[in-house]
Amino acid sequence: EAGVTQFPSHSVIEKGQTVTLRCDPISGHDNLYWYRRVMGKEIKFLLHFVKESKQDESGMPNNRFLAERTGGTYSTLKVQPAELEDSGVYFCASSPRRSGKDHEQYFGPGTRLTVT
Amino acid sequence: GENVEQHPSTLSVQEGDSAVIKCTYSDSASNYFPWYKQELGKGPQLIIDIRSNVGEKKDQRIAVTLNKTAKHFSLHITETQPEDSAVYFCAASMTGRWSGAGSYQLTFGKGTKLSVIP
Repeated sequence: EAGVTQFPSHSVIEKGQTVTLRCDPISGHDNLYWYRRVMGKEIKFLLHFVKESKQDESGMPNNRFLAERTGGTYSTLKVQPAELEDSGVYFCASSPRRSGKDHEQYFGPGTRLTVT
Repeated sequence: GENVEQHPSTLSVQEGDSAVIKCTYSDSASNYFPWYKQELGKGPQLIIDIRSNVGEKKDQRIAVTLNKTAKHFSLHITETQPEDSAVYFCAASMTGRWSGAGSYQLTFGKGTKLSVIP
């Protein structure tokens, strides 16, 4: 079974530019989460999709961040315009929607975003 | 919201010795506590978890204990090996809540860098 995949693995952009990160969850996982780790800080929750619906977006920092999951499969996270403080590692995770297992989140390798 | 504190931030042990990492949480409603291992260049990997209705869980050389009253939980690694070297994260969440904020979001500790010296 393939794990969670993320693309790109690393992105370097200038302040003010736009970047789109992609996440492909484990096949069949209805739950998809985005997290990020800013340098030296803990991993922080951004939002949670159940299929194509946003279940919880309480962690999204501001309206420069837009997450989508059209069709309930892969998800994208767009940052527009990017600011210096957006630099960090963005992780995607997924979990099945199966009783007793839906809390087990499996993480992708992350996308390292550097805004200069 | 939930707050998770993790100690120590770095830990060095001799190969074969035991390692213990401790976490405390603030929200008594949290009921699910996973531990993740992150190796260089990879994402966090779920290694063991425990629910609040269980006090201890063991999987080979890894064990997790939970004290609900004191709101703390610990990861124990016995007979450490060089391949155990990694950053370990504890986390907490409230399972079973689907409405609004705080659904299944994980609140993480800051991580512990474990080095196992051969």
